[in-house]
Amino acid sequence: SQQGEEDPQALSIQEGENATMNCSYKTSINNLQWYRQNSGRGLVHLILIRSNEREKHSGRLRVTLDTSKKSSSLLITASRAADTASYFCATDNTGFQKLVFGTGTRLLVSP
Amino acid sequence: ETGVTQTPRHLVMGMTNKKSLKCEQHLGHNAMYWYKQSAKKPLELMFVYNFKEQTENNSVPSRFSPECPNSSHLFLHLHTLQPEDSALYLCASRLSGTSDTGELFFGEGSRLTVL
Repeated sequence: SQQGEEDPQALSIQEGENATMNCSYKTSINNLQWYRQNSGRGLVHLILIRSNEREKHSGRLRVTLDTSKKSSSLLITASRAADTASYFCATDNTGFQKLVFGTGTRLLVSP
Repeated sequence: ETGVTQTPRHLVMGMTNKKSLKCEQHLGHNAMYWYKQSAKKPLELMFVYNFKEQTENNSVPSRFSPECPNSSHLFLHLHTLQPEDSALYLCASRLSGTSDTGELFFGEGSRLTVL
């Protein structure tokens, strides 16, 4: 399975600190995406990184991809209480037909 | 508001009931998905439809029956479910083709409880 696994499962930080979440996967991929889910709600797409990219930025988000280690990381800088949510990586090697999601990291940002 | 609407948001049903979940997208997308999210488990892909044709059935039990009458609507018909089927069912859509960004747009989900 190419299923991603996020690490840590849960992360608790203070506002203003940076949050780093990691994703490991098992098979080769074409791209990797990160999604966010507020409690009991739907998922929202954050960023996509392709297999030939090593790093990508979007606002306070920074994503890295190391295909040799089959891993990715999501960094949220200067975190806010509103960043409290679960974060999932999703891998794909089927031309977006079949995104496979990981188990998620629950992030709690305290004021 | 993501442009993907799921109804009902909450559903409680007995094991002998028949009910349906509905998903509607107003984004002009042509691919639609059902995912199941259970506690402490990864999202499980259930079904994928492209241009109304089912292109993926991820070994889902027959007590779940999808229907896609057009590119904007997706249903999940439920019958004789088990308590372990209690979960959040998420619908998603995507614009496949030359403008495909790979991004899935999710609805808010239908929280299903089977008694």
